[in-house]
Amino acid sequence: EAGVTQFPSHSVIEKGQTVTLRCDPISGHDNLYWYRRVMGKEIKFLLHFVKESKQDESGMPNNRFLAERTGGTYSTLKVQPAELEDSGVYFCASGGLSTDTQYFGPGTRLTVL
Amino acid sequence: QQQVKQSPQSLIVQKGGISIINCAYENTAFDYFPWYQQFPGKGPALLIAIRPDVSEKKEGRFTISFNKSAKQFSLHIMDSQPGDSATYFCAARGWAGSYQLTFGKGTKLSVIP
Repeated sequence: EAGVTQFPSHSVIEKGQTVTLRCDPISGHDNLYWYRRVMGKEIKFLLHFVKESKQDESGMPNNRFLAERTGGTYSTLKVQPAELEDSGVYFCASGGLSTDTQYFGPGTRLTVL
Repeated sequence: QQQVKQSPQSLIVQKGGISIINCAYENTAFDYFPWYQQFPGKGPALLIAIRPDVSEKKEGRFTISFNKSAKQFSLHIMDSQPGDSATYFCAARGWAGSYQLTFGKGTKLSVIP
């Protein structure tokens, strides 16, 4: 069974540019989560989808971040315009409805210069 | 405000020794406490988890001890091996319409031969 995949693995952009991160969850998983780890700090929750609906977006830092999950499969997280403080590793995780476990992808390392 | 405090930040243990990582939480609504293990370049992977109705859970060399009254839980790695060298994260999750995980800052464990 394929795990959670994320693309790209690394992205280096300049302040003010736009970046779109993609997450493909484990097939059949209705729950999809985005997290972020800024260097030296804890992994922080951003938002949670159940199928295509946003269940909880309380962790989204501001309106420069837009997450979508059209069709309830893969998800994208767009940052527009990017700021220096957006640098970090963005993790996606997925889980089935009947399990507590969240399966994490390898992350996308975003560097904003 | 950090809701899950993890210590130590780094830990060096001799091969065959016991590694102990501690976490403390504040929110009594938390009802599920997983530990994640992360190797460089990979995403966090669930190692072991516990619910507050039990005081201890053991899986192989890994044991979680849970103290509900003190709001603390810890991970013990018995007979630590160089292959256990990784970053370990404790986390907590509470019911409130969301399955978001609240993470500690992580502990970098190095097991030396």
